[in-house]
Amino acid sequence: GESVGLHLPTLSVQEGDNSIINCAYSNSASDYFIWYKQESGKGPQFIIDIRSNMDKRQGQRVTVLLNKTVKHLSLQIAATQPGDSAVYFCAESGFTGGGNKLTFGTGTQLKVEL
Amino acid sequence: DTGVSQDPRHKITKRGQNVTFRCDPISEHNRLYWYRQTLGQGPEFLTYFQNEAQLEKSRLLSDRFSAERPKGSFSTLEIQRTEQGDSAMYLCASSPGTGGSYEQYFGPGTRLTVT
Repeated sequence: GESVGLHLPTLSVQEGDNSIINCAYSNSASDYFIWYKQESGKGPQFIIDIRSNMDKRQGQRVTVLLNKTVKHLSLQIAATQPGDSAVYFCAESGFTGGGNKLTFGTGTQLKVEL
Repeated sequence: DTGVSQDPRHKITKRGQNVTFRCDPISEHNRLYWYRQTLGQGPEFLTYFQNEAQLEKSRLLSDRFSAERPKGSFSTLEIQRTEQGDSAMYLCASSPGTGGSYEQYFGPGTRLTVT
């Protein structure tokens, strides 16, 4: 399944399928990006980050892709599990000044169906 | 547990009262951030500290809000004369801020309800 970014806040996938969550960012000066997972009633949990000098970075079961030309970020989750159900936020920041404060998107709810 | 901790986890207060929240960052993290999150939205930046110095404040941080980090370790966020619009989750995050490590790790948050 694939979300069309912030215009589709809910993504439903079958357990075991791959998930793709998209994010469009607005600030062309942003050079650092993070994906967070947030479960109900909890704080955001760091998943993976990427700097603007890269276009792909892989972690455990997750891959982040960055396309600076169109200011687009995506998070791919392989073999989605029920424990992946949560709201996923992308966040952007600039290294130059601003103390690396993060600007968050509105999030995508991922629902994993058994 | 060596993660970011926040206290209290929940606070219910009446309009007009003052409240204070505490955040204990991950040990040796130089940077500490406060964010506010309302239902269905992503966190919004409020302020941040580099060690004990408060280096930036958002326009969201009105005069009723004040934050401190006196010894460069834990931080407090105080809201005076609370209003119903202050009801939100207040999140604290910390970051190494050095050595090329900039990822921010969040605490569980303090949920404030103003009645």
